[in-house]
Amino acid sequence: DVKVTQSSRYLVKRTGEKVFLECVQDMDHENMFWYRQDPGLGLRLIYFSYDVKMKEKGDIPEGYSVSREKKERFSLILESASTNQTSMYLCASSSEGAPGNTIYFGEGSWLTVV
Amino acid sequence: AQKITQTQPGMFVQEKEAVTLDCTYDTSDPSYGLFWYKQPSSGEMIFLIYQGSYDQQNATEGRYSLNFQKARKSANLVISASQLGDSAMYFCAMRALARGGNKLTFGTGTQLKVEL
Repeated sequence: DVKVTQSSRYLVKRTGEKVFLECVQDMDHENMFWYRQDPGLGLRLIYFSYDVKMKEKGDIPEGYSVSREKKERFSLILESASTNQTSMYLCASSSEGAPGNTIYFGEGSWLTVV
Repeated sequence: AQKITQTQPGMFVQEKEAVTLDCTYDTSDPSYGLFWYKQPSSGEMIFLIYQGSYDQQNATEGRYSLNFQKARKSANLVISASQLGDSAMYFCAMRALARGGNKLTFGTGTQLKVEL
């Protein structure tokens, strides 16, 4: 059974804290993605990675960074959390190739910054 | 740049009726794919159906069909015989190969409520 696992489902952090959101996939996928989801805005891409140590900015990268040291793991880092980063974060992965390759999502991480 | 537009923030449908959720898209890439996902209140994203830009026929998956009109750049989802369990948020998404590393671009979603 294919799996994308987000290590934390619910987090509460203080303003200014450094926050790590971890995502692991077991399908040997080249591509991994981080999205945030907000009501009325849909899912917006923060960063994606198409290979180990490779990353590209998505539509809303400000305030975030990422790390991909191993193929199966893609971490989202909030260097100094702010209240406007309170959101639901979704990790996804897919193999390289055709546009129709299935994209698998994790269950989401609900982050509240107070 | 890729863009997906879903103009219906909320829709209501009676059980057993059919419902159409609208999606229009914009891209300059010749090769792309269109997806529909369902997101129940639990938050998981459930893949429903896929349409490739070069596919000649509209995609169907059980009660789901995709009304693909390439010239109009629309990819509407049709759900036939609605069930209470269809109540959820529905997202249209697009993926192009030519640039962006296969990233998936989403619309803002449509909240569907199925009523008795």
